[in-house]
Formats: sequence, C-alpha cells, structure tokens
Amino acid sequence: QQQVKQSPQSLIVQKGGISIINCAYENTAFDYFPWYQQFPGKGPALLIAIRPDVSEKKEGRFTISFNKSAKQFSLHIMDSQPGDSATYFCAASEKRGATNKLIFGTGTLLAVQP
Amino acid sequence: DVKVTQSSRYLVKRTGEKVFLECVQDMDHENMFWYRQDPGLGLRLIYFSYDVKMKEKGDIPEGYSVSREKKERFSLILESASTNQTSMYLCASSFFRQGHYGYTFGSGTRLTVV
Repeated sequence: QQQVKQSPQSLIVQKGGISIINCAYENTAFDYFPWYQQFPGKGPALLIAIRPDVSEKKEGRFTISFNKSAKQFSLHIMDSQPGDSATYFCAASEKRGATNKLIFGTGTLLAVQP
Repeated sequence: DVKVTQSSRYLVKRTGEKVFLECVQDMDHENMFWYRQDPGLGLRLIYFSYDVKMKEKGDIPEGYSVSREKKERFSLILESASTNQTSMYLCASSFFRQGHYGYTFGSGTRLTVV
C-alpha cells in the first residue's frame, strides 16, 4: 500500500500562476517531510523540507504547508516559471533499523506554460 | 561539490544475466540507498546500508542483493535479471545534521532487460 499518497499525478499551470501539490500520510511516526524536484535525466534533488512541529516553511517562491491533525502537507510554488517544469516528489522519513529511510509519493509532473 | 556517481547511465542486459550496478559517494556518508523509479509508482526502496558490511531490506528486495565492502561504494546486484526489473535505478547517500536528513541522489541507471 502507498504510505505517502500524492496528487495530482500531473499539473499544468500558466506562467505566474500558483502550483499546488498535495500529499497525505497515515504513519504518525513520520518525523520529517521533504520535497524533491527532479529534472529529466537527473536524480531527485532536495527542494525544501519541514518537521511536524512547524505548520509552514517558506523558501523563496516555495512554501510547504503542514497540517499535522489532518496528516497532510502540500507544496505551493508561487509565481510559477517555465524553469519549474519538473517532476516533484513528496516524501516522509521513517526510523528503520539503525537509520532513517525516505518513503516517497508517486510524483507529480508539473508543466508551466509560458 | 558533493557527488553520488553511478557507473552506467544506460544498460541493456539479457534475461537471466547477473547484473551489477555500482554507486560511489565522495561525502563520507554513513547511509546509502538503492531505489527504483517507475512511472506512477514513484521511488521505491530496494535496500539500504547504514555502515560497511551492514544492510537492510527495503520495501521491494525480492530479486536483488547488495554489497558494501567499503564506505564509499554500494553495489546493487540482480542475481538473475528478469524483464520486470527493467527500470530506472537511483542510488543515494545521506547524512543527518542539525535536525535535517540530507539525501544526495545519483543521476540514475536506466536498465533494460530483454
């Protein structure tokens, strides 16, 4: 079963618009929630991350909103640009054995049209 | 600049072959991971290692094994390649610092089993 559910699968936004990607989880033991950005031919790269004791984190045009009671978190990209076109993955960190592992959502393909 | 290097970008192998995917990191990270990425399924953890010669199964370990003889190198082994192992394979290493987990991914190896 998918431990981190991500939606939508794909998203088309006009330049200057707001892109919103949502994720939900069930495991309350998750303690770290990063978002990764992946361009074609590249591995995912960390974009922004949040811990569950914070409801919002902003870095430039990227904001994570976190709702602990609803077990949901979302990525907002303000003033979306064509260069933001990529696949975005949410993830959640779980203690596993002697380390922590990331569990990923299924990804959202974002296309920002000029 | 920190790096995770995967030895091959593209591989084509025959069914039944033993396949080795190599990954090297230059960051002195303790933890290393192997994921496979498939459309609509996101990244799924195959195996991870938290120390030399230590390994743990991820969510989909069947048909795979790993080797970590040196801290900087983590190998994924397909004992007898099958067509359902055609996928993009991503290696990552990670650290934990100041409350955040930093994962660095390689650029991936696209494996086709024919």
